[in-house]
Amino acid sequence: AQKVTQAQTEISVVEKEDVTLDCVYETRDTTYYLFWYKQPPSGELVFLIRRNSFDEQNEISGRYSWNFQKSTSSFNFTITASQVVDSAVYFCALSSQGGSEKLVFGKGTKLTVNP
Amino acid sequence: DARVTQTPRDKVTEMGQEVTMRCQPILGHNTVFWYRQTMMQGLELLAYFRNRAPLDDSGMPKDRFSAEMPDATLATLKIQPSEPRDSAVYFCASGTSSGRAGAGELFFGEGSRLTVL
Repeated sequence: AQKVTQAQTEISVVEKEDVTLDCVYETRDTTYYLFWYKQPPSGELVFLIRRNSFDEQNEISGRYSWNFQKSTSSFNFTITASQVVDSAVYFCALSSQGGSEKLVFGKGTKLTVNP
Repeated sequence: DARVTQTPRDKVTEMGQEVTMRCQPILGHNTVFWYRQTMMQGLELLAYFRNRAPLDDSGMPKDRFSAEMPDATLATLKIQPSEPRDSAVYFCASGTSSGRAGAGELFFGEGSRLTVL
């Protein structure tokens, strides 16, 4: 069975601090895909990134960076110099190749960035 | 901007009533998903379709829930009869997939907030 664990339920930081959101996953598949989504207060889920299991290169996009480590089954997300607009619930998700494209989501981490 | 459109945005109903939620996926997308979000369970997959064919509805209570895609521009999720425990936000999402490369980016609608009294 597939499972995604986001151990941090809530995180609160002050603007300009760096913050890392943890994600640990479980799967028996050798090919799989990992995702991060952002859910701002308005409610919709916004896609941030998709990585496949064969690509362990870290990725940076502006203030966002992702660290994928297969050895620890983790796909952590770091926001550098956080801003108030980063306040949202962040979800990590997992899907597999081969017929089942459904995303299995973690429970989410609520990030509050205070001014 | 292409968007997934869901109606209604908010629905309050009484226990026992029928509820129908509608979703217009992004034009050209061939996969459609229905997710339910609650505080306790988080985001749960209810059903999904590829090319209008249902692929997985194992997450859906079969006795009261039904999901259909009458055509490529409309997906529906019906609850009959509704119960208070069905209160949640229901999200529709669409994407493009061949089924061989795993899920791609999914575009989510703004959700339908259902309250069953």
